[in-house]
Amino acid sequence: EVQLVESGGGLVQPGGSLRLSCSASGFTFSSYAMNWVRQTPGKGLEYVSAISGNGGSTYYADSVKGRFTISRDNSKNTLYLQMSSLRAEDTAVYYCVKRAATSGPGHFDYWGQGTLVTVSS
Amino acid sequence: EIVLTQSPGTLSLSPGERATLSCRASQSVSSSYLAWYQQKPGQAPRLLIYGASSRATGIPDRFSGSGSGTDFTLTISRLEPEDFAVYYCQQSGSSPWTFGQGTKVEIK
Repeated sequence: EVQLVESGGGLVQPGGSLRLSCSASGFTFSSYAMNWVRQTPGKGLEYVSAISGNGGSTYYADSVKGRFTISRDNSKNTLYLQMSSLRAEDTAVYYCVKRAATSGPGHFDYWGQGTLVTVSS
Repeated sequence: EIVLTQSPGTLSLSPGERATLSCRASQSVSSSYLAWYQQKPGQAPRLLIYGASSRATGIPDRFSGSGSGTDFTLTISRLEPEDFAVYYCQQSGSSPWTFGQGTKVEIK
């Protein structure tokens, strides 16, 4: 059974940093691109970042480029999102999401339960 | 960026009725890269349909997807109590991948 478990969310002040983790199990982690998607009541679902199976290729939404860094440790089956220079508009539930295909674009077949990040003074 | 516009915003129906949800794209989307998700309160989205018309594993056949180009539809043939939720479409054919704003299906 595929499981994705996020951790690391919480309250942080504007300008601060936070690192999210996602522990994966139930599939060959290194074979799949992994993604972060966030959700806010105002903007809905937003595709934030992605990383290829071997970590060699990454994607960032313009809204987080230069502030967020995605990485993975395939030996630990863990995905990370290092967030810095956080802004109020980064407040959201962050989901760790598995892409269905082992390569190329495509839909998301498994989602974690989400972790809430609140940026506020 | 491809903007996905879902309509209606809210659909008020009774159990047993048919639900028809629309997703319109600002540019053509390859059918291979159009998906639908269901989200219930306090839960993560769940994949329902991919490739515009293929049901994901374990999804009942009362859910069906259709469409091409810029117009896509999710149909729930007979609403069950557990189907009342928010539904999102998503495209992954053109970067940045985008989601629609959602359609809420509520009990009338």
